[in-house]
Amino acid sequence: DGGITQSPKYLFRKEGQNVTLSCEQNLNHDAMYWYRQDPGQGLRLIYYSQIVNDFQKGDIAEGYSVSREKKESFPLTVTSAQKNPTAFYLCASSRVGLSYNSPLHFGNGTRLTVT
Amino acid sequence: EDKVVQSPLSLVVHEGDTVTLNCSYEVTNFRSLLWYKQEKKAPTFLFMLTSSGIEKKSGRLSSILDKKELFSILNITATQTGDSAVYLCAVEAGGGGGADGLTFGKGTHLIIQP
Repeated sequence: DGGITQSPKYLFRKEGQNVTLSCEQNLNHDAMYWYRQDPGQGLRLIYYSQIVNDFQKGDIAEGYSVSREKKESFPLTVTSAQKNPTAFYLCASSRVGLSYNSPLHFGNGTRLTVT
Repeated sequence: EDKVVQSPLSLVVHEGDTVTLNCSYEVTNFRSLLWYKQEKKAPTFLFMLTSSGIEKKSGRLSSILDKKELFSILNITATQTGDSAVYLCAVEAGGGGGADGLTFGKGTHLIIQP
């Protein structure tokens, strides 16, 4: 079955450490996205990529970095510069233009806790 | 700045009740409005609306868009405990036509009591 796989499900890190969240999709989608979800807040876009080897900053990119070396993979690194990294991170993918037959698809998320 | 406001933010009803969730928006160059259901993990797609007045229906769920008054509603009839979830509304705007143009509301947390 096609889908988006995020790993790990839960991640615990000490403050000051960089951490990388994995996202892999086999939907053959060109576009991939990273969102952050905090309690009581809407999903906020961190980074997105519409084509391999290219990516753009979203609304809250500071303290994060990404790469897009393969169409299937879009890993997110949470750096020590991110002031408040504890959150639920969702990866998503879509065709470049959204449609009813191709809406945004989400992975199951990674819950990151930094102490 | 694009804005999407969902109401209520939380709602507790009894099984069998009908609920109406609201989503209002202020965006530049509206393209579409999407509804998602999130049960702890991945949001799952429910509806995408682009035209006013045309109801989208899937089982006990239905949704309609009013582009003049800038809102959408999501109705759930004969609610079941499995409908308990956070319902997310997102509006796609701008010229790019991709999910980078999506603005999400804060969600409505719906709890169905047996």
